[in-house]
Amino acid sequence: DAGVIQSPRHEVTEMGQEVTLRCKPISGHDYLFWYRQTMMRGLELLIYFNNNVPIDDSGMPEDRFSAKMPNASFSTLKIQPSEPRDSAVYFCASSLVLLETQYFGPGTRLLVL
Amino acid sequence: AQTVTQSQPEMSVQEAETVTLSCTYDTSESNYYLFWYKQPPSRQMILVIRQEAYKQQNATENRFSVNFQKAAKSFSLKISDSQLGDTAMYFCAFMNHAGGTSYGKLTFGQGTILTVHP
Repeated sequence: DAGVIQSPRHEVTEMGQEVTLRCKPISGHDYLFWYRQTMMRGLELLIYFNNNVPIDDSGMPEDRFSAKMPNASFSTLKIQPSEPRDSAVYFCASSLVLLETQYFGPGTRLLVL
Repeated sequence: AQTVTQSQPEMSVQEAETVTLSCTYDTSESNYYLFWYKQPPSRQMILVIRQEAYKQQNATENRFSVNFQKAAKSFSLKISDSQLGDTAMYFCAFMNHAGGTSYGKLTFGQGTILTVHP
């Protein structure tokens, strides 16, 4: 079975540009999570969806960040405008139900210059 | 709020030896799951093992086993017969199953870098 798929794997952009990260969860999983990993703050949950509906976005750092899930097999995390402090590894994860194991994608390493 | 502490920033072990990584957590809840994830240089987060708090028996997965001490709020990972491919960052994580704002969310420790030497 295919795991969680993320694209791109690496993204380098300049401050002020729009960045879009993409995620395809494991088929049949009803929950999708977006995380950010930095040296200073470790792994942080940004937002999660249930059946394509955002349930908790309390971890989204500011209005420059937005996430959507237009269907069960696709989600995006957008940063507009991007800033150097957004540089991090962004992970997508999915799970069958909320209280079960989350399976992570390979991550997107974002560098904002 | 729950906290997860990994007190060993770095560990090293010789190939074929056994190593134990420590994790403690702080919670007032009684219903939760605990996880160990592995992050090799490829950055992929890989599930190593899971422990349900209601189970007294320690979880095992091949060479990986845990020592779950619920009263002490301790959850250590033992890797037996260490292999070069075990070199990675290891994260301990807590998932609250009892309700509240952290319900169903993973809280991660800061990680332990494990290096396996030939």
